[in-house]
Amino acid sequence: QVQLVESGGGLVKPGASLRLSCAASGFTFSDYYMSWIRQAPGKGLEWVSYIRSSGSPKYYADSVKGRFTISRENAKNSLSLQMNSLSAEDTAVYYCARRRLGGYHAFDLWGQGTMVTVSS
Amino acid sequence: SYVLTQPPSVSEAPGQTARITCGGNNIGGKSVHWYQQMPGQAPVLVVFDDTNRLSGIPERFSGSNSGNTATLTISRVEAGDEADYYCQVWDSSRDHVVFGGGTKLTVL
Repeated sequence: QVQLVESGGGLVKPGASLRLSCAASGFTFSDYYMSWIRQAPGKGLEWVSYIRSSGSPKYYADSVKGRFTISRENAKNSLSLQMNSLSAEDTAVYYCARRRLGGYHAFDLWGQGTMVTVSS
Repeated sequence: SYVLTQPPSVSEAPGQTARITCGGNNIGGKSVHWYQQMPGQAPVLVVFDDTNRLSGIPERFSGSNSGNTATLTISRVEAGDEADYYCQVWDSSRDHVVFGGGTKLTVL
């Protein structure tokens, strides 16, 4: 079954760190660019980061640059997002998404999302 | 940074045609993708590269892109089409993905 499954979300205090994971199955993970996209409660979609199939380069939204790190392990079909110095503005559902092969960065497969809540 | 502008809401009666716009500076020179998001669910790609439907998406969904406006058109709107719709492009000048603010489609 072709799917992405995120994990690692939870409730953390401001300034804390958290690591999200995304497990891919049913397709050749190493062929695809991958992204993290988030959605704050009641708000729209916000792109966070993306990583090429080989693992580099990596790109980040201005709002997370220097605090978040995206990585992947192709041998384990796994994508990760290390999040440091979290603040309330980072509270959101975090989705991992697969960039469609070819074309211009359309995301054709999404996980169900994992909720991150930053609150004291 | 590149900005995509969508109307917050669009309403249409069942059986009619709903048009959701996405405005951006010379967006006609970019490839636009559209996502449908039902309440409590992850987004689903419905149209990619301006006009192409993903496999399994009804033919009632179509896209166009020219000048400063891209449009997602939903023909013969049904109650099941009620959702939030987002446009998205790749900003090659910054290597960033950009989403529009989203449009809530209400079927009257």
